[in-house]
Amino acid sequence: QVQLVQSGPEVKKPGASVKVSCKAPGYSFSSYGISWVRQAPGQGLEWMGWISAYNGNTNYAQNLQARVTMTTDTSTGTAYMDLRSLRSDDTAVYYCAFTQNPYTSSLPFHFWGPGTLVTVSA
Amino acid sequence: EIVLTQSPGTLSLSPGERATLSCRASESVTSRYLAWYQQKVGQAPRLLIFDASSRATGIPDRFSGSGSGTDFTLTISRLEPEDFAVYYCQQYGRSPYTFGQGTKLEI
Repeated sequence: QVQLVQSGPEVKKPGASVKVSCKAPGYSFSSYGISWVRQAPGQGLEWMGWISAYNGNTNYAQNLQARVTMTTDTSTGTAYMDLRSLRSDDTAVYYCAFTQNPYTSSLPFHFWGPGTLVTVSA
Repeated sequence: EIVLTQSPGTLSLSPGERATLSCRASESVTSRYLAWYQQKVGQAPRLLIFDASSRATGIPDRFSGSGSGTDFTLTISRLEPEDFAVYYCQQYGRSPYTFGQGTKLEI
């Protein structure tokens, strides 16, 4: 069972950017793909995009493509999700989820991080 | 994008009963790439079923999935107290990988 660690809660003003991190200590990071999923308060789940930890290939949800960047740092085994031009409706818990193959994004999410609450408020 | 519609929105049952949750897709789901997740309050989702009918590691056999094309079902054969939660279906066959709106299973 892969245990994921995410960065702490963030409070941001509208128009700012946020960068959330996700790490899998002790695991072969390059063997995985990482999806990011968010959940607004009291709402359902929204897939944001995916990145391969092997080669950095990405697949973003079209509605967020202009504002989101997903990256990895293989030296530290950390994935990052950067969301720009924040709005109040970006307030949500942001989850990372690892998939067991770095070559395709068409996989179920076997392992989930605990989530990072991002609050956007003036 | 593929829209997933779950029914019912809320299901009220008792421990020991059988639960049947439905997930209907707006178009056929590629290669039965359909998953079910369980989410309890304040927790991350947990994968229960993938590829429509395969149980994830450590998931009790009272959970089963079935279906193909546009109609999928999650069945919990005998409800345990810890099964009361929100359940989401998700298709991962075609990007964007969409989720249903969830079914709340309550006592």
